[in-house]
Amino acid sequence: AAGVIQSPRHLIKEKRETATLKCYPIPRHDTVYWYQQGPGQDPQFLISFYEKMQSDKGSIPDRFSAQQFSDYHSELNMSSLELGDSALYFCASTYYTGELFFGEGSRLTVL
Amino acid sequence: QQPVQSPQAVILREGEDAVINCSSSKALYSVHWYRQKHGEAPVFLMILLKGGEQKGHDKISASFNEKKQQSSLYLTASQLSYSGTYFCGTATGNQFYFGTGTSLTVIP
Repeated sequence: AAGVIQSPRHLIKEKRETATLKCYPIPRHDTVYWYQQGPGQDPQFLISFYEKMQSDKGSIPDRFSAQQFSDYHSELNMSSLELGDSALYFCASTYYTGELFFGEGSRLTVL
Repeated sequence: QQPVQSPQAVILREGEDAVINCSSSKALYSVHWYRQKHGEAPVFLMILLKGGEQKGHDKISASFNEKKQQSSLYLTASQLSYSGTYFCGTATGNQFYFGTGTSLTVIP
């Protein structure tokens, strides 16, 4: 069965650079969530999309933006990267707020 | 908005039981439970949709007290594979918040 696909799996950037993470949800899932998880921390809700429209925002910095495209894939854009942005970024998709299916995550390291 | 879990961490010997609690200051309409192994994505365990609902499979079960805005996860006869961090979670609209997490370590 198709799962949530995230790319890249690993990314290394310098401070003040930009990064883009991609997420391909499970077909027919109507909601996509983005989470940031620092070492030893719980996943922090960043932003969600419902049917390609931005739905809710959590603790997403102004330097970050996200969108969902016509093919339902989503991208998280991060600019002016800071050391504190180093984390594991998860994308999850669901249908009608049921079980969340997670991608394997994208590990961002900012040097 | 984030649910609070207790305990923060627990160490068990194989075969022992554990209870993890999840409490919210806001109304809970549903409660999810996930387990996350280090460096991996959270994995869904179960969802409870109604107050008073109890669910379970294998030796892991959960209850949901809507009035008290609490849920508990019960792990019985723990196995080594149960080790990980357990998160409860709750949805409000299209926001989904994880709880503070409980680290569970099962030792031989």
